[in-house]
Amino acid sequence: DTAVSQTPKYLVTQMGNDKSIKCEQNLGHDTMYWYKQDSKKFLKIMFSYNNKELIINETVPNRFSPKSPDKAHLNLHINSLELGDSAVYFCASSRRAEGTEAFFGQGTRLTVV
Amino acid sequence: SQKIEQNSEALNIQEGKTATLTCNYTNYSPAYLQWYRQDPGRGPVFLLLIRENEKEKRKERLKVTFDTTLKQSLFHITASQPADSATYLCALRSSGSARQLTFGSGTQLTVLP
Repeated sequence: DTAVSQTPKYLVTQMGNDKSIKCEQNLGHDTMYWYKQDSKKFLKIMFSYNNKELIINETVPNRFSPKSPDKAHLNLHINSLELGDSAVYFCASSRRAEGTEAFFGQGTRLTVV
Repeated sequence: SQKIEQNSEALNIQEGKTATLTCNYTNYSPAYLQWYRQDPGRGPVFLLLIRENEKEKRKERLKVTFDTTLKQSLFHITASQPADSATYLCALRSSGSARQLTFGSGTQLTVLP
């Protein structure tokens, strides 16, 4: 069973469109994350979320919004897509406790044309 | 501002040698530090965690050291193999309630046969 799964794996879309990436974890973790990895391979935190708080990295445009229908899911919605949004987006999860590692999904490669 | 730096973008070594990767951080007071491996087209995978009161930790051919005075961690792969070729990332949790897991820029290791 895949621990953290994201769909779709690839997403090609036009500028201005709205799109969503889904993420599900079956590890029973209480914290989930979204990361963006750009062309230089730098992995940048976008959001961290548990059932009590959403932490948004201040550099993330408000066109990006996470939505969590339940503890096992954290979807990423992106409005009015721009060329610069092209990147690989990774979902991850961990237990909230200190000293715990994060488990990552396989990534979604978003290409905006 | 908080910063995590990995000293080289790319490192090439000969098979059988020991690879040493460096992670330096500023404006963190981490209780622990993590190392991950990322292969092309995949999400990062957790390797090792070392706590502030541990000077060294080993797992098979991997060894991590943690010097909170120097604010540095070293990651060693002994008897390196071509299969060890990947990008290696160090990660810290930020302080405060957010405690997001933040990654360094990574070092791409290539082990030459």
